[in-house]
Amino acid sequence: GESVGLHLPTLSVQEGDNSIINCAYSNSASDYFIWYKQESGKGPQFIIDIRSNMDKRQGQRVTVLLNKTVKHLSLQIAATQPGDSAVYFCAEKTSYDKVIFGPGTSLSVIP
Amino acid sequence: ETGVTQSPTHLIKTRGQQVTLRCSSQSGHNTVSWYQQALGQGPQFIFQYYREEENGRGNFPPRFSGLQFPNYSSELNVNALELDDSALYLCASSLDRAPSPLHFGNGTRLTVT
Repeated sequence: GESVGLHLPTLSVQEGDNSIINCAYSNSASDYFIWYKQESGKGPQFIIDIRSNMDKRQGQRVTVLLNKTVKHLSLQIAATQPGDSAVYFCAEKTSYDKVIFGPGTSLSVIP
Repeated sequence: ETGVTQSPTHLIKTRGQQVTLRCSSQSGHNTVSWYQQALGQGPQFIFQYYREEENGRGNFPPRFSGLQFPNYSSELNVNALELDDSALYLCASSLDRAPSPLHFGNGTRLTVT
């Protein structure tokens, strides 16, 4: 069935270092992918998205990479800051009706 | 621009009762999706409403139902509450059904005792 999973449940990085959060997806028909950040007590916040006709997209301090050959998605955060500490979810959209979320990776930034 | 708002923020119900959760979508958004998020897990898709009709449903029983109103606001109703229904219920709005990011509210924390 459809599923989106993350390789690492937790990630700790030093402030100022770059962070990489990985994600695997199983449905080759997925054509749209999104990364969300969720802080405690809040709903998921959109970070960046990418369509399946692209393999890289950059935002402010964030980059998403898509490798359709191995069904892999990653989120890179440059110069990680304490405010980046949160749970990060990758999500895929397989049709016009639903977005499927993975289990999440908890990012902890060490000052 | 007004974001997604949900009410109430917290709710405690007893097993067997019924609950209604409310959501106002972001200005200009005509599609609303509901998700259930158990503690420590990712959001699980319940259903989506587009132009006041259900448009896609996840693996949830019929006692989970919803409505969308002409102003695109939405309700999630859960009947015959079970202990396992305790979770954070998230509403998200988007523009049309086309690939576009969902914009989430901060959710309603439901506790069933």
